[in-house]
Amino acid sequence: AQSVTQLGSHVSVSEGALVLLRCNYSSSVPPYLFWYVQYPNQGLQLLLKYTSAATLVKGINGFEAEFKKSETSFHLTKPSAHMSDAAEYFCAVSGDNQFYFGTGTSLTVIP
Amino acid sequence: EAGVTQFPSHSVIEKGQTVTLRCDPISGHDNLYWYRRVMGKEIKFLLHFVKESKQDESGMPNNRFLAERTGGTYSTLKVQPAELEDSGVYFCASSQRIWTGGKNIQYFGAGTRLSVL
Repeated sequence: AQSVTQLGSHVSVSEGALVLLRCNYSSSVPPYLFWYVQYPNQGLQLLLKYTSAATLVKGINGFEAEFKKSETSFHLTKPSAHMSDAAEYFCAVSGDNQFYFGTGTSLTVIP
Repeated sequence: EAGVTQFPSHSVIEKGQTVTLRCDPISGHDNLYWYRRVMGKEIKFLLHFVKESKQDESGMPNNRFLAERTGGTYSTLKVQPAELEDSGVYFCASSQRIWTGGKNIQYFGAGTRLSVL
């Protein structure tokens, strides 16, 4: 069975500071992992995905995530937060024919 | 290319009433999914269509929920009669024909926010 845990339902960072959103997964098979972002009044947009190639995955808008099998983690980072990064972020693991999502992390960027 | 479209964006109904949500997937996508997010909880799978056939409906909460996808294009999700606990955001997603295992990216709509009073 697959599952995802996102630590921290709310994260606040200052503009220009490092963004770190945590995701740990559980999977009985080699996982495919995804990060989605939801901006206000919009759909879930794919940020990046890990599909067993490079362990460091680069996505859109300067985000990246590193797959660490030993830690069963797939944390999302961005070196310098921008006001436009304020949104809700979801980590997901693919299983069978559905996605298993975490509870989401709401990111606030403080000017 | 148009994305996944859902409407209405927001629906407010009273307990006992009926509501129908609609999803138009990306053109050419045979796979269509419904998910639901109850406030503060994770986004949870409801069901999966391949064309007009239900592939997996293991996530449907109970028989008050009925999903259809006539003709393999758009899909509807009907809740009848609605209960308070049905409130939440209902997302629809679609993906391409070939199932490449877990790599298959799902494209999501903006969701329908359902409030049952």
